[in-house]
Amino acid sequence: DAGVTQSPTHLIKTRGQQVTLRCSPKSGHDTVSWYQQALGQGPQFIFQYYEEEERQRGNFPDRFSGHQFPNYSSELNVNALLLGDSALYLCASRFGANTEAFFGQGTRLTVV
Amino acid sequence: AQKITQTQPGMFVQEKEAVTLDCTYDTSDPSYGLFWYKQPSSGEMIFLIYQGSYDQQNATEGRYSLNFQKARKSANLVISASQLGDSAMYFCAMRKRSGNTDKLIFGTGTRLQVFP
Repeated sequence: DAGVTQSPTHLIKTRGQQVTLRCSPKSGHDTVSWYQQALGQGPQFIFQYYEEEERQRGNFPDRFSGHQFPNYSSELNVNALLLGDSALYLCASRFGANTEAFFGQGTRLTVV
Repeated sequence: AQKITQTQPGMFVQEKEAVTLDCTYDTSDPSYGLFWYKQPSSGEMIFLIYQGSYDQQNATEGRYSLNFQKARKSANLVISASQLGDSAMYFCAMRKRSGNTDKLIFGTGTRLQVFP
């Protein structure tokens, strides 16, 4: 049984560009959350998707947007990239309200 | 505001010894959950252990146990019989509910290094 998978694993982009990160949740999981982890910090919550809708959003600008597909997979889009967007982006999935979240290995984004 | 504090940026422990990683939290919610995750250099967050605020007993999972002191708002992770493979970043997190959604609030982490 595959866990949470994210692609790509590494990415280098130029300031001002746009990027799309992808996440496939663990089998049977229907809720996907995205986190940003800057170097030397703990992960920060970006947003959560359930039934193809954004249910909650953290303190991130509108340049960060997402989508969830009928098969529960999810995308994170970031427009107009800034140097400060360089970070590890983690996707987490779960099923049900009282279960632990399982994380993917992350996408390491570098903006130059 | 809800917050997780991990005051130990780094810890060293000798193989086969026990080590305690500190975590304090701040919340006004009566119901909450506390988690510990391990993050190796590969980046993946690996779930270790969970403690619910109403749980009467401290959680244990193999070599991991959680020393939960509710009055002091602390949830320290104890790793017994450390192994070289335990070297990693360790994050304490709290689940914050908002209606029918939730999110994890993480601390800044503790880097554990196990030496032979």
